[in-house]
Amino acid sequence: AQKVTQAQTEISVVEKEDVTLDCVYETRDTTYYLFWYKQPPSGELVFLIRRNSFDEQNEISGRYSWNFQKSTSSFNFTITASQVVDSAVYFCALSVGSGYSTLTFGKGTMLLVSP
Amino acid sequence: SAVISQKPSRDICQRGTSLTIQCQVDSQVTMMFWYRQQPGQSLTLIATANQGSEATYESGFVIDKFPISRPNLTFSTLTVSNMSPEDSSIYLCSVASTTALDGYTFGSGTRLTVV
Repeated sequence: AQKVTQAQTEISVVEKEDVTLDCVYETRDTTYYLFWYKQPPSGELVFLIRRNSFDEQNEISGRYSWNFQKSTSSFNFTITASQVVDSAVYFCALSVGSGYSTLTFGKGTMLLVSP
Repeated sequence: SAVISQKPSRDICQRGTSLTIQCQVDSQVTMMFWYRQQPGQSLTLIATANQGSEATYESGFVIDKFPISRPNLTFSTLTVSNMSPEDSSIYLCSVASTTALDGYTFGSGTRLTVV
């Protein structure tokens, strides 16, 4: 069975601080995908990134960066110079196999960025 | 990527009644998923709905409580039956899309309050 752990329930930072959201996953499959989604107060899920298990390259997209480490089964997400608009719940998720199986979500981390 | 129209966006219902949530996709998709997100919680998969076959329910969810229809490759409904306040949640549909960057597209969600 798959499992995704987001140990940080809530994080509060002041604008312009950097913040890292942790994600640890468990699976016996060698082929899998990892995701990060953002859920603002409006409730919709906003896709941020997908990473497959064979691509351990870190990724940077603007103020966002992701650190994928298979050795520690972690897929951490860093926001640089946080902004108030970054305030949301962030979910890490996992799907296994090469096809499109169901997503297993972590419990989410609520990020509060104050001015 | 696929675009999903999910209706209603929100509703307040009396206990004991039923609500049917609709998801219309702008392209044909094989797999559709229904998730529940209880207040302050993560997303939990209710069932997977493939066209032409009965939905596959996850542990803890039963067809009598959450009947699902999937009459064609672009449409699905989820009914929440005999509602109680514990059913107050956000319900989201999702599709697996081979053309979507993330592989999955989510509806905007239905925010249900049972009183």
